[in-house]
Amino acid sequence: NAGVTQTPKFRVLKTGQSMTLLCAQDMNHEYMYWYRQDPGMGLRLIHYSVGEGTTAKGEVPDGYNVSRLKKQNFLLGLESAAPSQTSVYFCASSDLASGTDTQYFGPGTRLTVL
Amino acid sequence: AQKVTQAQTEISVVEKEDVTLDCVYETRDTTYYLFWYKQPPSGELVFLIRRNSFDEQNEISGRYSWNFQKSTSSFNFTITASQVVDSAVYFCALSSYTGNQFYFGTGTSLTVIP
Repeated sequence: NAGVTQTPKFRVLKTGQSMTLLCAQDMNHEYMYWYRQDPGMGLRLIHYSVGEGTTAKGEVPDGYNVSRLKKQNFLLGLESAAPSQTSVYFCASSDLASGTDTQYFGPGTRLTVL
Repeated sequence: AQKVTQAQTEISVVEKEDVTLDCVYETRDTTYYLFWYKQPPSGELVFLIRRNSFDEQNEISGRYSWNFQKSTSSFNFTITASQVVDSAVYFCALSSYTGNQFYFGTGTSLTVIP
């Protein structure tokens, strides 16, 4: 039981490049989330999903896209990376339908955009 | 609006001292959940506790204790006899039963000096 895993752990991009971050969970959770963590700002929600095939915008969705084609996977895409997207990205999942149960986090992906 | 405030940005204590981390929240919901997470220097987010709005009973888990007071909208976290391994950033979070989002505070960085 690996919990929540994220791929890759580190990545350096040049401005304008694209990439996809993969989040996988093996807990059969319905809800999945993508956050970014910046110094002094805590965690901010980018997008979330309440089930396979569904996605919704969070607090800071601009510049990102997501997909949830399989229940266990939640992908975060950057189509044209910008230096402002340099951050640590965390994926999380939770269980109850209300989405208010405990969120379990992956180890994070540190992204640098030059 | 949902909001979590952690006014203490950084705290330093000497090992074996007790320390309290403050968390004040704002919500108009009658049903909500409060959480504490720990982020050690390794970067992962570790779930510590979840409390629902109808349960104001304080909780103790080893050296950790939590004081939930609806009257002051606070959910404070106390570490007794602190240890160097307690050095981390601690986040308080709020989840509304009507939504699917977590609202994180900006975190309190705790340093325990040996």
